[in-house]
Amino acid sequence: ELKVEQNPLFLSMQEGKNYTIYCNYSTTSDRLYWYRQDPGKSLESLFVLLSNGAVKQEGRLMASLDTKARLSTLHITAAVHDLSATYFCAVDNSNSGYALNFGKGTSLLVTP
Amino acid sequence: EAGVAQSPRYKIIEKRQSVAFWCNPISGHATLYWYQQILGQGPKLLIQFQNNGVVDDSQLPKDRFSAERLKGVDSTLKIQPAKLEDSAVYLCASSRDLTYEQYFGPGTRLTVT
Repeated sequence: ELKVEQNPLFLSMQEGKNYTIYCNYSTTSDRLYWYRQDPGKSLESLFVLLSNGAVKQEGRLMASLDTKARLSTLHITAAVHDLSATYFCAVDNSNSGYALNFGKGTSLLVTP
Repeated sequence: EAGVAQSPRYKIIEKRQSVAFWCNPISGHATLYWYQQILGQGPKLLIQFQNNGVVDDSQLPKDRFSAERLKGVDSTLKIQPAKLEDSAVYLCASSRDLTYEQYFGPGTRLTVT
């Protein structure tokens, strides 16, 4: 069974600060995804990481992937209130028919 | 391009009642997924279709849940009878094919009282 662990599960940070969310997974995966979910809303795709060493950036968010360590990070730079949301990482592989296996999510609150 | 459509958006039922959810995937998408997201958790796969065939339903509680995808397009997910622990958001997602990125619908929030 493909397991995905995120930490921290809850994160309160001040505007302007930097922080990193970690995502570990248990077995080889084909792809790693990061999603954002606002309260009462569906999942918004942020990044898809395909290969070892992959790095993608969008605005204040940067995601990276280390397939050897089975670790992905989502780095937040100079946080702003609009980034407050829950962030999920998910992985898929051919053994699971490419269905997504999600972590429990990291609930981020950015305060003034 | 229209996104994944789901209805209803909200549903409140009493335990032991039945309920059905509908999903219309993005046009041309062969793969369709139903996920269950319990409050405070990540989504969990219930069932995956490839066209009108089932790829994986290993986590579907088959004593009460059923799903079908007629003609390989729209899909319905049914719960009968519902239990309190079925309270969750039910997300439908579709992808062009098995290996392509999934796109999620807005979800149906079910409350069982």
